[in-house]
Formats: sequence, structure tokens, C-alpha cells
Amino acid sequence: KAGVTQTPRYLIKTRGQQVTLSCSPISGHRSVSWYQQTPGQGLQFLFEYFSETQRNKGNFPGRFSGRQFSNSRSEMNVSTLELGDSALYLCASSLVSGGNSPLHFGNGTRLTVT
Amino acid sequence: QKEVEQDPGPLSVPEGAIVSLNCTYSNSAFQYFMWYRQYSRKGPELLMYTYSSGNKEDGRFTAQVDKSSKYISLFIRDSQPSDSATYLCAMWTGNQFYFGTGTSLTVIP
Repeated sequence: KAGVTQTPRYLIKTRGQQVTLSCSPISGHRSVSWYQQTPGQGLQFLFEYFSETQRNKGNFPGRFSGRQFSNSRSEMNVSTLELGDSALYLCASSLVSGGNSPLHFGNGTRLTVT
Repeated sequence: QKEVEQDPGPLSVPEGAIVSLNCTYSNSAFQYFMWYRQYSRKGPELLMYTYSSGNKEDGRFTAQVDKSSKYISLFIRDSQPSDSATYLCAMWTGNQFYFGTGTSLTVIP
């Protein structure tokens, strides 16, 4: 069974631009979550989608948004990029939403903002 | 105070050693507990998943949960160079997962 696939693997953008990251979950998984990983802060929760609905959202500004499609694939968008947005963005899928359904991660998209 | 505290290390051990990795947490509502392994340039990989207090063993790995002390541990027996990675603890509190910042482990051949 294929794992979680994230594209692209690397991105370099300039301040003020916007970016869209893509995630394909494990087949059959209906929940998709997004995390930002930085050396100082570790994994910070961005948001979770289940059956095309946002279930939960972390403490990030509105510049960070996402959506989920009917096939469970998900996209994350960051507008008006700032230098501090440079990070590894991880997508994780699970069968359903909840603690009894552990997360399975992709290899991430490394975003660099210059 | 962070929800989950984890010693960042780095931790360096000789091959064959027993490794102990630990996390403490502050919220007694945490229910499900996980350990992930993350290699450089890769995403976290699920190693262990447990719900109740006590021990759970899988090969060379043992996860231990002590809910009364709000403390979880991961033990690695007969450590191998391939175990060199960052280890993250994670737990669920009803609406989202919280992660430790990770402990960097190096196993020296």
C-alpha cells in the first residue's frame, strides 16, 4: 500500500508570494492533518480535515489555509509568505479523526522563503 | 509550560546499548500515546502506539506509559547504528495530537 505522498519535496519562494502544497493520503484514509516542523518549535499543528470539512485548527494566522477534496487528497495554501514561514510542512493521514487512529506522515515539503 | 516536554539530547550510545527515551506531559486528559522515529530528510514514522498504562513490546522496542506520573518512555534494546534518528513522542487530548520536540539519538558502531 502506498504511503502518504507530498508534492513538491522542495520549494523556494520570495517574501510576499503565495504557495500551494499537495498531499495524497494513504488509500482508505479519510482524515488529513497538516503540521509545520521547525528546529526550535518542533511539530506545530496547522489543521485537520475529515470528509472535506475542517475539523480543527491550530494557532496559525489566516494566511494559512487548506482544503480537502472528495477523494481525500488535500492542499495547503500559504499567502503573503514571510521569512518565518520557512519550514518543513508535513502532511499526515489517518483512517478516521481521533486519537484511536494514529497519524501516518509523508516526507514533507521543505519550503524556503527568501 | 509546554504540553509535552522531551529532552532534545543529543544522546550518543555505543552499539548494543539499551536506550531510554522519555517524555513528560502536563495534561491528565491525554489518552493515546505514540512514538515516532524520524530520519534526516524524512517524515516521522510510527513506531509504537498505546492507550493504557503499562508496557507494550514490539521486537527491540518497549513503550511504557505511567499515567499517574504523566510520564512515557521508549526503550530500545540492542541498539543498532540504523536506530540513529530523532525520536518524537506524541499524545492525543481529545481534539488534536501534541508532539514533543524530539530527542536526537546516535548509535556508534
